[in-house]
Amino acid sequence: DAKTTQPNSMESNEEEPVHLPCNHSTISGTDYIHWYRQLPSQGPEYVIHGLTSNVNNRMASLAIAEDRKSSTLILHRATLRDAAVYYCILRDPNSGNTPLVFGKGTRLSVIA
Amino acid sequence: DGGITQSPKYLFRKEGQNVTLSCEQNLNHDAMYWYRQDPGQGLRLIYYSQIVNDFQKGDIAEGYSVSREKKESFPLTVTSAQKNPTAFYLCASTPRAYQRILNTEAFFGQGTRLTVV
Repeated sequence: DAKTTQPNSMESNEEEPVHLPCNHSTISGTDYIHWYRQLPSQGPEYVIHGLTSNVNNRMASLAIAEDRKSSTLILHRATLRDAAVYYCILRDPNSGNTPLVFGKGTRLSVIA
Repeated sequence: DGGITQSPKYLFRKEGQNVTLSCEQNLNHDAMYWYRQDPGQGLRLIYYSQIVNDFQKGDIAEGYSVSREKKESFPLTVTSAQKNPTAFYLCASTPRAYQRILNTEAFFGQGTRLTVV
C-alpha cells in the first residue's frame, strides 16, 4: 500500500468545521482512500472512503483532489466526541485481504 | 448485533509467563488481524489470517503465536520470548475482498491492555 502523510496534530474549536489533510502523492489508480478514527482507549472505527469523487456520509465528508494526490476529511461541526486520532489509509481492493497499514495519524483536539 | 469481541479488557502478567488474548467475531468475516499499539504510536501488525488454518507473520511477530482453527476465532498468545509485551492489543476483521468495495472495511475490537508486572 502506498504511503500517506498527515500532520501530527490539529486543534479545533467546538462546533466549528475541521479539515484534516492527507497527502498521498504515490497513489495508484486503483487505490481507495480510507479514513479511520480511534477514540481514546478504543479500537479504530471506519469513517469514510472514496476513489475519485467527493463522498458524504453521516459522520463526515471526504474531498479528493482532482489529481488524487491529496484528500481532506471534513468534519462539519466538531464536537468534543470527535477528539481522536484520525488515520488516512490507501487500499487497493484487488489486493485481497492484505492488512491495513497504519501510520501515526493526526491527533485532533477539540476545545470547548 | 454483529461485532468483534476481545477479552479480557485488562490483563496483568508476570514476567516469564505466557498469556493468551481472545478475539471472536460473528460477522462471518474471512480475514482476521492482530495489531499492537504503544503509547502515542500507530498500530503495528503482529499476525494476520486470511482463511481458517492459515496465517502469516506481520512486521513484529517475534515473541507471539496465533492459531485459526475456527473462522470466528483468532487467539493471540504472548510468549515469554516477547521482551516488551506491555502494550494495547487490537484485533480486527475484514470481509471477503469482493465485498469491500461496497461495504465498510475493517471492524476492530475494543482492545486488550496488557501489563507485565
